[in-house]
Amino acid sequence: GEKVEQHESTLSVREGDSAVINCTYTDTASSYFPWYKQEAGKSLHFVIDIRSNVDRKQSQRLTVLLDKKAKRFSLHITATQPEDSAIYFCAASDSGSWQLIFGSGTQLTVMP
Amino acid sequence: EAAVTQSPRNKVTVTGGNVTLSCRQTNSHNYMYWYRQDTGHGLRLIHYSYGAGNLQIGDVPDGYKATRTTQEDFFLLLELASPSQTSLYFCASSDGRGTGQLYFGEGSKLTVL
Repeated sequence: GEKVEQHESTLSVREGDSAVINCTYTDTASSYFPWYKQEAGKSLHFVIDIRSNVDRKQSQRLTVLLDKKAKRFSLHITATQPEDSAIYFCAASDSGSWQLIFGSGTQLTVMP
Repeated sequence: EAAVTQSPRNKVTVTGGNVTLSCRQTNSHNYMYWYRQDTGHGLRLIHYSYGAGNLQIGDVPDGYKATRTTQEDFFLLLELASPSQTSLYFCASSDGRGTGQLYFGEGSKLTVL
């Protein structure tokens, strides 16, 4: 089955700088890659996703890049703000069960 | 806004105890999920369901049972709780099978002493 590895467990940036979080996956047939955000002490909510028919998707300050050859996808946050501080989880859909497999999460801290 | 409600939000039990975590969604979604969140492991899928009476096994099902009584209600049962089941449990719902947005509940913190 699918395995998703999230490479950075923690990431610190200065307010206004960019942040990049990287994930890799193992299932060549995976076709759906969402990102979720978890603020301290709260639940998770969806932030952005990308499907395998495109290699880039942007929503305001968030951009997701997908490299199917390398089986890698990444979340780019520009002009970071303190409210971007959270744990970010990447995920990929398993092509067999169609269920989402999550990475281990990246704690992003935006320092003033 | 989609709504997923979990109860209890916090539960402490002893080893061998019996625990039921409840989840209700008012989104009219077909799919419901139970995940556990542990540091270093992210979220791991325990069980899921695509409709009343249906149950599918996830990635870490050992020691857990689940039951989907209605489209709205999904229960996670720990009949002989162990300390290794101390975790934060999230319920979620979606209208698609793995390619639709998940809507998460607020989480249920379970401690097994």
